[in-house]
Amino acid sequence: EPEVTQTPSHQVTQMGQEVILRCVPISNHLYFYWYRQILGQKVEFLVSFYNNEISEKSEIFDDQFSVERPDGSNFTLKIRSTKLEDSAMYFCASSPGTIGFEQYFGPGTRLTVT
Amino acid sequence: GNSVTQMEGPVTLSEEAFLTINCTYTATGYPSLFWYVQYPGEGLQLLLKATKADDKGSNKGFEATYRKETTSFHLEKGSVQVSDSAVYFCALSDQGNTPLVFGKGTRLSVIA
Repeated sequence: EPEVTQTPSHQVTQMGQEVILRCVPISNHLYFYWYRQILGQKVEFLVSFYNNEISEKSEIFDDQFSVERPDGSNFTLKIRSTKLEDSAMYFCASSPGTIGFEQYFGPGTRLTVT
Repeated sequence: GNSVTQMEGPVTLSEEAFLTINCTYTATGYPSLFWYVQYPGEGLQLLLKATKADDKGSNKGFEATYRKETTSFHLEKGSVQVSDSAVYFCALSDQGNTPLVFGKGTRLSVIA
């Protein structure tokens, strides 16, 4: 069964460094999402991406964040200058964009900023 | 804005016990409702969904009914197993490919 994959599973970085989180959505899916979950808190929406552009973003998704789909398979989230409060589990999701609109999630990347 | 409230955990049950995890929502319009499950070390998996009032979603023995009058989508299972131990998330989205809004999650532990 097709699945969303994410790399790395765990990333440790120092404050102020740039990180890139990678996702491979399910092929033939059209909508892509990033969510995050700070330890013990809710899963929060960051950004959605469709037709090679951002379709919606939350207040969390400020200028420090960017997303890209550099080729036909990868979908990346970049944080330019990480802060301690960026430490969280980051989930990628994709959706076929058809009836049901289910989103299929990857296993997540745990980002630890020290 | 839209929001989801689900019961705080952790919930600890003996095997074969009855499970209810409460979920209520606030939304404008008629959202789609979902339950996701996260097993240890894994990502979020869709467990079941309902897209309109009075729909019942079901999967793997779990059920939830979309109750518009009480704005609820409670998760139930008649007889839980140790393998059901996981974190369960209630979520909603407006119709279409809009972002999911999640509850805080409820950790379920089932002991033999």
